[in-house]
Amino acid sequence: SQTIHQWPATLVQPVGSPLSLECTVEGTSNPNLYWYRQAAGRGLQLLFYSVGIGQISSEVPQNLSASRPQDRQFILSSKKLLLSDSGFYLCAWLRTSGRVLGELFFGEGSRLTVL
Amino acid sequence: AQSVSQHNHHVILSEAASLELGCNYSYGGTVNLFWYVQYPGQHLQLLLKYFSGDPLVKGIKGFEAEFIKSKFSFNLRKPSVQWSDTAEYFCAVNRAGGFKTIFGAGTRLFVKA
Repeated sequence: SQTIHQWPATLVQPVGSPLSLECTVEGTSNPNLYWYRQAAGRGLQLLFYSVGIGQISSEVPQNLSASRPQDRQFILSSKKLLLSDSGFYLCAWLRTSGRVLGELFFGEGSRLTVL
Repeated sequence: AQSVSQHNHHVILSEAASLELGCNYSYGGTVNLFWYVQYPGQHLQLLLKYFSGDPLVKGIKGFEAEFIKSKFSFNLRKPSVQWSDTAEYFCAVNRAGGFKTIFGAGTRLFVKA
């Protein structure tokens, strides 16, 4: 069965420091991968998605970037964190059946606090 | 652009009360519709989904949702809630064949025992 892992689970970083959140998926190949940010009262904001190695689509201009160095690895990064980057970051993969796109499966999330 | 609107941000109910959470989306084409749930301390998981066919779909734990195309709505219902239904509920939509799933702001449900 497919599993998705994120780390670290919790991170406290000073303003201006770099960031790297990692997500890996097991049990599937060539998954569509996503980074969302969850903020209270604002639902899930789609940040990036990737349909393959090296292919990144950005949804919201911001201080963050994403990379997909391997088929089942998706990384969220920042060179210099801002206070506004604090939040709960969720990685997800999209189950597909042929050309039918299905539901998302989410990781446990990474809670980032920028001080 | 697609958007999803959930009408209630916070709902408080007593056990055995009926539940209906509203969800409307804005997109004129064919869509797939979802309700996800996040129980306290747990990760987001799928509650139910609609792709095509019968507009009344049933999910886990006695939940159901009805797709009304003319109203662009996909409301979630449960006839009798339990304390264990306390959670945050998210409506979501993706365009059929599209890669992006857009979520509503979520509704926090608290069920009093």
